[in-house]
Amino acid sequence: GENVEQHPSTLSVQEGDSAVIKCTYSDSASNYFPWYKQELGKRPQLIIDIRSNVGEKKDQRIAVTLNKTAKHFSLHITETQPEDSAVYFCAAQTGYSTLTFGKGTMLLVSP
Amino acid sequence: EAQVTQNPRYLITVTGKKLTVTCSQNMNHEYMSWYRQDPGLGLRQIYYSMNVEVTDKGDVPEGYKVSRKEKRNFPLILESPSPNQTSLYFCASSPRPGNTIYFGEGSWLTVV
Repeated sequence: GENVEQHPSTLSVQEGDSAVIKCTYSDSASNYFPWYKQELGKRPQLIIDIRSNVGEKKDQRIAVTLNKTAKHFSLHITETQPEDSAVYFCAAQTGYSTLTFGKGTMLLVSP
Repeated sequence: EAQVTQNPRYLITVTGKKLTVTCSQNMNHEYMSWYRQDPGLGLRQIYYSMNVEVTDKGDVPEGYKVSRKEKRNFPLILESPSPNQTSLYFCASSPRPGNTIYFGEGSWLTVV
């Protein structure tokens, strides 16, 4: 089955800095790659997603890039703010099969 | 309001006592799934369902059962719970695979 590796497991940045979280996947047939943000004690919520026919997608301060050849995708957050502090999960899905998540990255943004 | 509702939110039970966690969505979504979340392991899919009467195993199905008799409901059944099933469980739904997944608020389950 699919295997998704996520790095780093924790990331500390100063407010205003950029943050990058990277994920690799094993199944070259995977075609859907969402990113979720989970605040403490709350449910995961989708922040951005990308499909295999697109190389990059941006939504205000958040962007995701996908390299299908290398089988990796990354989340980029610019101008970080304290409210960006949360656990971020990447995931990969192949067609109608299981959605496999990475183990998560705890992002801490210090004022 | 569009939502995924799961119950109970918190439960402490004893080993071997059958329990069911209900999940209901009001968005007419075809795809529903269950995940468990454990520290350091992220979210792992237990079972998923493409539509009524269609279910399939995820990555960690052992010890769990599901059913999808109606489109809106997808209960998770623990026939004989064990302590290693102590976890935070999320139900989720999506219009179809490859679309935004909406999570329920989570159910904290402790098996003693």
